[in-house]
Amino acid sequence: DIHMTQSPSSLSASVGDRVTITCRASQTISIYLNWYQQKPGKAPKLLISTASSFQSGVPSRFSGSGSGTDFSLTISSLQPEDYATYYCQQSYIAPYTFGQGTKLEIK
Amino acid sequence: QVQLQESGPGLVKPSETLSLNCTVSGVSVSNNSYYWTWIRQPPGKGLEWIGYVYYSGTTNYNPSLKSRVTISVDTSKNQFSLKLTSVTAADTAVYYCARFTGIITLSLDYWGQGTLVTVSS
Repeated sequence: DIHMTQSPSSLSASVGDRVTITCRASQTISIYLNWYQQKPGKAPKLLISTASSFQSGVPSRFSGSGSGTDFSLTISSLQPEDYATYYCQQSYIAPYTFGQGTKLEIK
Repeated sequence: QVQLQESGPGLVKPSETLSLNCTVSGVSVSNNSYYWTWIRQPPGKGLEWIGYVYYSGTTNYNPSLKSRVTISVDTSKNQFSLKLTSVTAADTAVYYCARFTGIITLSLDYWGQGTLVTVSS
């Protein structure tokens, strides 16, 4: 199985801050990396697919980059509604494993 | 619009079989672009990919669960289902069904709301 490692596991930041979350795969996964946002008690929501492609309706302050084994999700200016847990997931080879999650909290 | 809805017992006894259905609306499970997927999340923990079924019946399971899992599709009801045998407390989780788009985005783009299944006597 491909192991996905996110860092940090938790992060405190203020509204307006620029935040970056990283995800590393244990082997190359090309660009087959997705990012999801999960709020308490809700299902995850797809933000970005294939490393950098926005989903419809996702604010432009979210961006993704990377290829191979190293990827990042950046929020350019944190908004109150962005406080959530973020997960990366590889879709290169099944099982399509997730990272352990990054909890983004209010500072 | 596309919607997925999980259904099934919220409480299962240890050693018994967990059975869940996912009813899909707004898209046919027979559409050859999609793989119908189950994911679970133990309370307070991260997401675990369980496996998927394709409209043809082809499946792919997480090796960690493969010996206990069956995912099947019923095109006549536009549903797919999950069976997990010999459950223990470690199988207590919120179970999500989701659509995996197998072209272009290769991602889980629609999710059900999730259903909590507790394994307890």
